Amino acid sequence: DTGVSQDPRHKITKRGQNVTFRCDPISEHNRLYWYRQTLGQGPEFLTYFQNEAQLEKSRLLSDRFSAERPKGSFSTLEIQRTEQGDSAMYLCASTTGTSDYEQYFGPGTRLTVT
Amino acid sequence: EDQVTQSPEALRLQEGESSSLNCSYTVSGLRGLFWYRQDPGKGPEFLFTLYSAGEEKEKERLKATLTKKESFLHITAPKPEDSATYLCAVRVSGGTSYGKLTFGQGTILTVHP
Repeated sequence: DTGVSQDPRHKITKRGQNVTFRCDPISEHNRLYWYRQTLGQGPEFLTYFQNEAQLEKSRLLSDRFSAERPKGSFSTLEIQRTEQGDSAMYLCASTTGTSDYEQYFGPGTRLTVT
Repeated sequence: EDQVTQSPEALRLQEGESSSLNCSYTVSGLRGLFWYRQDPGKGPEFLFTLYSAGEEKEKERLKATLTKKESFLHITAPKPEDSATYLCAVRVSGGTSYGKLTFGQGTILTVHP
């Protein structure tokens, strides 16, 4: 399967701990997006990478959140000092940025903060 | 501010009972309207992209249409395996949007056998 992969699929952590998620996009896709989805809502944009450059961040992305995409390949999203309000599904999507701009999503990482 | 609203929030159909889902949008400049299907616990699965009013696309029992203010996802003779949440999203032009998608809250479709 050459789709977008995310790891881990599930993460349970205690409030105040740090967590890191990984996303591996489709290999030829140079554009990568992170979204967050809470129960009953559609995904909300968090941040965007074109190759290794982080070009856009949402106001939702507080100082406790940081994302990287070294060498323009996989990406990581770190949340420091987690809060219960961080509990959500974190989704990664990638696209080539040409023609239709269709974004292909990974399976997501479900974060539960206790 | 760009807004996407989907209705109804939930829809229950009998197998074979055709219906439509609505996606209304208010954006500064539309560069594409996207439909996704999402199964519980999984990421959204791409279905269609529409770009201009009057455009239509079909895939199996699904047909998506677009006007200047809204899009419809028509489901013809649905089967239980069509049960899922259907998400609508828009990509806007201009500024520094870089192609991010703004999603509606989704319509939960349940098809009973």
